[in-house]
Amino acid sequence: EPEVTQTPSHQVTQMGQEVILRCVPISNHLYFYWYRQILGQKVEFLVSFYNNEISEKSEIFDDQFSVERPDGSNFTLKIRSTKLEDSAMYFCASMTGHEQYFGPGTRLTVT
Amino acid sequence: QKEVEQNSGPLSVPEGAIASLNCTYSDRVSQSFFWYRQYSGKSPELIMSIYSNGDKEDGRFTAQLNKASQYVSLLIRDSQPSDSATYLCALRGTTDSWGKFQFGAGTQVVVTP
Repeated sequence: EPEVTQTPSHQVTQMGQEVILRCVPISNHLYFYWYRQILGQKVEFLVSFYNNEISEKSEIFDDQFSVERPDGSNFTLKIRSTKLEDSAMYFCASMTGHEQYFGPGTRLTVT
Repeated sequence: QKEVEQNSGPLSVPEGAIASLNCTYSDRVSQSFFWYRQYSGKSPELIMSIYSNGDKEDGRFTAQLNKASQYVSLLIRDSQPSDSATYLCALRGTTDSWGKFQFGAGTQVVVTP
């Protein structure tokens, strides 16, 4: 069964460093998403991406964040200068029709 | 007012019983509703989606939607210990953002043998 994959599963970085989180959505899906979940808190929408551009973004998704689909399969989230409060699980999701499926997540730890 | 509200629980359910989970939302524009299950430390797994008023059944799960009351629920029949998880209510579409998903904080369900 097709699934969304994410790498790495765990990323540790120092405050101020740039990180890139990678996702491979399900191949025939057209909509892609990034979410974050701070430990013990709810899943928060960051951004949606369709037709090679951002279609929606939340107030969390500020200038420190960017997304790219550099080729036909990968979908990346870049955080330019990480802060301690960026520590969270980051989930990629992809959707076709009305069904949205999540990847396993990347745990980002900023020290 | 929270946009998607759920009782945090924990909801304790004896094995074999029915678990009833509720979710209310504030934005009448929302059109698509989803229930996800999330085990501790894992990603959300889609259980089912519902778009029309009424009931939708899938195996042991039944989702109910009432747009007039801005209410969506999930019933889990014949609850099993493996159903112990946090159940997330989500919706798609708000007044200012048709494609944005919003999640509730989740209801923790504990099924006791």
